[in-house]
Amino acid sequence: GEDVEQSLFLSVREGDSSVINCTYTDSSSTYLYWYKQEPGAGLQLLTYIFSNMDMKQDQRLTVLLNKKDKHLSLRIADTQTGDSAIYFCATRRAGSARQLTFGSGTQLTVLP
Amino acid sequence: DVKVTQSSRYLVKRTGEKVFLECVQDMDHENMFWYRQDPGLGLRLIYFSYDVKMKEKGDIPEGYSVSREKKERFSLILESASTNQTSMYLCASSLAGNEQFFGPGTRLTVL
Repeated sequence: GEDVEQSLFLSVREGDSSVINCTYTDSSSTYLYWYKQEPGAGLQLLTYIFSNMDMKQDQRLTVLLNKKDKHLSLRIADTQTGDSAIYFCATRRAGSARQLTFGSGTQLTVLP
Repeated sequence: DVKVTQSSRYLVKRTGEKVFLECVQDMDHENMFWYRQDPGLGLRLIYFSYDVKMKEKGDIPEGYSVSREKKERFSLILESASTNQTSMYLCASSLAGNEQFFGPGTRLTVL
């Protein structure tokens, strides 16, 4: 089945850029998502990208998609302490309009 | 605003007990999902439902069952709780193939 991989931890200094990486195995994934989970809360959709796009920008967030390498990244510019959270990459499963496959999540810690 | 609510934030049960986790959404979504979240493993799909009385197994259905008697409510049932079912349980809902909206989660401890 589909596999989605992320590194578990990332630390950055406040004001720096953060880059969270994700690799996936299913080349037919149509939509790819980034979710954010703050402590004690459920997941909240941050942004998504359709598979025919290379890049999507939304304020401080930039998503890059390299379909050839099956690599997705989320860049957060000017990272703030409020950005400290777990970030999940997810892909929509091929042949399924409903199911998502999630990565393990990356714990982002922003240091003052 | 879509709202997905879960009946409990924290729950402590004993091994062998029957456990019910309830999820309610208020946006008329046809799809509802139950996941469990464990450190380093991300979210794993237990069951999902795309209509009333319809259910499909996810990746880890063993030891769980579900019930969807009304469109807005999706229940996860642990018939006989075991310690390896100690986890965070997240419910989500979606409309067609669009984004999934998540509840706050239920942290279940089985002693």
